[in-house]
Amino acid sequence: KAGVTQTPRYLIKTRGQQVTLSCSPISGHRSVSWYQQTPGQGLQFLFEYFSETQRNKGNFPGRFSGRQFSNSRSEMNVSTLELGDSALYLCASSFLIWTLNEQFFGPGTRLTVL
Amino acid sequence: ELKVEQNPLFLSMQEGKNYTIYCNYSTTSDRLYWYRQDPGKSLESLFVLLSNGAVKQEGRLMASLDTKARLSTLHITAAVHDLSATYFCAGSKDTGNQFYFGTGTSLTVIP
Repeated sequence: KAGVTQTPRYLIKTRGQQVTLSCSPISGHRSVSWYQQTPGQGLQFLFEYFSETQRNKGNFPGRFSGRQFSNSRSEMNVSTLELGDSALYLCASSFLIWTLNEQFFGPGTRLTVL
Repeated sequence: ELKVEQNPLFLSMQEGKNYTIYCNYSTTSDRLYWYRQDPGKSLESLFVLLSNGAVKQEGRLMASLDTKARLSTLHITAAVHDLSATYFCAGSKDTGNQFYFGTGTSLTVIP
């Protein structure tokens, strides 16, 4: 069974630009969550989607947004990039929410903002 | 909000020794997870702990959960170099798959 895939793996952008990251969950998984990992703040939850609906949202500004498609694939978008947005963005999928299922993480997208 | 604290942040241990990583959390957590992360890599799931008194073991790693003390531990037995990595614990509440991660413990096993 293929794991969670994320594209692209690496991105370099400049301040003020916008970026879109993509995540394909494990086949059959309907819940997709996004996390930001930085050396200073650690792993922080961005948002979670289930059946194309945002179920939870972390404490991030409105520049961070996401969506989920009918095939469970998800995208996240960051507009007006800032230097502090440089991070590893991880996507995780699980079969259902409100269950005891564990989340499986993708390899991440390393975003560098110059 | 669920706050998760891990200690120690850094751990250097000799091969063959035993040690424990501690994970405290602030409020009731329905589930407690342990993950491993190698440098530049993603998170690998190690254990899922679902109830008070749960104990799980895989190889040289054993995880336990005490919900009354709001404490989970990851015990390393007879450490080997391959266990060098960063270990994270994470809790979640009943409102979905939002995980609250600890700061991580960077483990280095030296010969």
